[in-house]
Amino acid sequence: EVVLTQSPGTLSLSPGERATLSCRASQRVNNNLAWYQQRPGQAPRLLIHGGSSKATGIPDRVSGSGSGTDFTLTISSLEPEDFAVYYCHHYGSSRTFGQGTKVEIK
Amino acid sequence: EVQLLESGGGLVQPGGSLRLSCAASGFTFSSYAMSWVRQAPGKGLEWVSAISGSGGTTYYADSVKGRFTISRDNSKNTLYLQMNSLRAEDTAVYYCAKEPRVASYYNWLDAWGQGTLVTVSS
Repeated sequence: EVVLTQSPGTLSLSPGERATLSCRASQRVNNNLAWYQQRPGQAPRLLIHGGSSKATGIPDRVSGSGSGTDFTLTISSLEPEDFAVYYCHHYGSSRTFGQGTKVEIK
Repeated sequence: EVQLLESGGGLVQPGGSLRLSCAASGFTFSSYAMSWVRQAPGKGLEWVSAISGSGGTTYYADSVKGRFTISRDNSKNTLYLQMNSLRAEDTAVYYCAKEPRVASYYNWLDAWGQGTLVTVSS
């Protein structure tokens, strides 16, 4: 089973700052890696699939990158609605999620 | 617009059973695989089960294999999760989610319902 480790656990930033979230896989995942955003009390929402392909309606300030075992979700300039929990997800031979990174207002 | 509406959650005793439903609309239901994902209170996401668009192929997490059964009725645009032999550790919000292809193979989850809470407690 592929284990996904997200870091940091919590990211404290101010609106307008850049957020960089990491997801490391225990083995190569061939870009079968997605990112989701979950706001409090809401269902998760797909942001990125294939490591870097944006879902419909996702703003330009959100981007995904990486390959192999190391992936990054970047939000270039945080808006108030971006403060949430973010999960990475491997959808290959095993279907696993990372433990999440909370982006909170500093 | 894709809409997924879960129902059937509630309080059940350990060892009991519950059937969850997910009513789908806004897309051709039979053309897409579907999954169930759960989230224990204050915890992260855990994939539970998946089913192909035809219903002919199913997948389960080891934690629920042999206890849960996923199914679908394409004539009713509805996904189900039959949960038997429930344990305290099954307590969670259960989400149904749509996959982007008919086969449930190497798929992300491109739409999610709002979830239904299952509480297993005596």
